[in-house]
Order: sequence, then C-alpha cells, then structure tokens
Amino acid sequence: GENVEQHPSTLSVQEGDSAVIKCTYSDSASNYFPWYKQELGKRPQLIIDIRSNVGEKKDQRIAVTLNKTAKHFSLHITETQPEDSAVYFCAASYNDMRFGAGTRLTVKP
Amino acid sequence: NAGVTQTPKFQVLKTGQSMTLQCAQDMNHEYMSWYRQDPGMGLRLIHYSVGAGITDQGEVPNGYNVSRSTTEDFPLRLLSAAPSQTSVYFCASRTQGAVNSPLHFGNGTRLTVT
Repeated sequence: GENVEQHPSTLSVQEGDSAVIKCTYSDSASNYFPWYKQELGKRPQLIIDIRSNVGEKKDQRIAVTLNKTAKHFSLHITETQPEDSAVYFCAASYNDMRFGAGTRLTVKP
Repeated sequence: NAGVTQTPKFQVLKTGQSMTLQCAQDMNHEYMSWYRQDPGMGLRLIHYSVGAGITDQGEVPNGYNVSRSTTEDFPLRLLSAAPSQTSVYFCASRTQGAVNSPLHFGNGTRLTVT
C-alpha cells in the first residue's frame, strides 16, 4: 500500500516568516494530494489540495507544489501568523487515502 | 447538512469488552472510512468502503470489523477491546468518482481501554 513520509515533525517559526513542510509518497498511482490542518481537540480540516495534473496551486498565503517524477510534494505558508499554529498533515490518495505522521507548527508572536 | 456524525464522543471500556462506534453521513457520499489517531503517528487507515455492501482493509485492520449495509452508515466494531486500541477514532467520507475528492471528517470518538 501507499506510504507517506512527512518532515519535519516539529517546526517553530517567528511570526511573519515562511514555513515549509515536505512529504514523499511511494505509490506512483496516487493522483490526489490534500493537506489538512488540525487544531488541538478538533477534527482535521482541508486547507488546500492538488491533483496530479497540476504542478503548483496557491490560495492566498498557502501554496502547494507537486513533483510527480520525484514523488514529493510540499506545503508553503508565507507571512505566518499565530493562528497558523496547529498540526498539519499531508496525504496521498488513489483508491484510499494515506496520511503522513504530521508536523506540529508553532508560530511565535 | 449535518455532515459526518460520530457517536459517542467519549467511551471507556474494560479489556475484553465489545462496542460499536457509530458513523453516519448525510452527503450521499459513496466512500467512507475509519482512521485512528495516535500521538506522533498521524492518521492510520483501519477500514474503508467504496459503497454499500463493499468493504476493504486499510493499514491497521486487526481487531476491528466493519459493515456497510446502507450508503449513510459505516459502523466500526471492536469485538474484544485491548489497551492498544486506546486512541481517537475518526470517521471520514467523500464522493467516489474518476477524480478524487477531499475527505470530510467527523468530530472523533476518544476511546480509552483499561
């Protein structure tokens, strides 16, 4: 089955800096790559996604890039704010959806 | 729409007891799935279903059973609970078609097995 690896496991940045989280996947058939944000005690919520026919997608301060040849994709958050502090998960999907282990992002004011 | 509804929110079991975690969705989603979330291990897929009458195993299926008799419901059964099954359980659903779509998660069930 699909195996998704995510790095780093923790990330601390100053408010206003950028944050980058990287993921790799193993199954070349995977064609959908969402990113979820989970606040403490809450359910994961989709923040952005990308499909295999697209190399990059942006939504305001958030962007995702995909390199299908290398089987890796990344989340970029610019101008970070304290409310961006949360756990972020990447995932890869074909028939089912598999998740990375998560990155705990802390944005210091 | 209520989305994905999970019950109960919290549950404490003794080792060896059985129980069913309930999951229902009102979005007419074909695909439903169960994940468990443990610290540092992300969301691990237990079982999933692509439609009524069809179920399949995920990464960590041992100790869990599922069935899908209707489109709306996808219960998860623990036949004989073990302390290793202490976790937060999430049910999630999505449309199932040629183009993949995002999962919609329920609010989770926090299970403790003593």
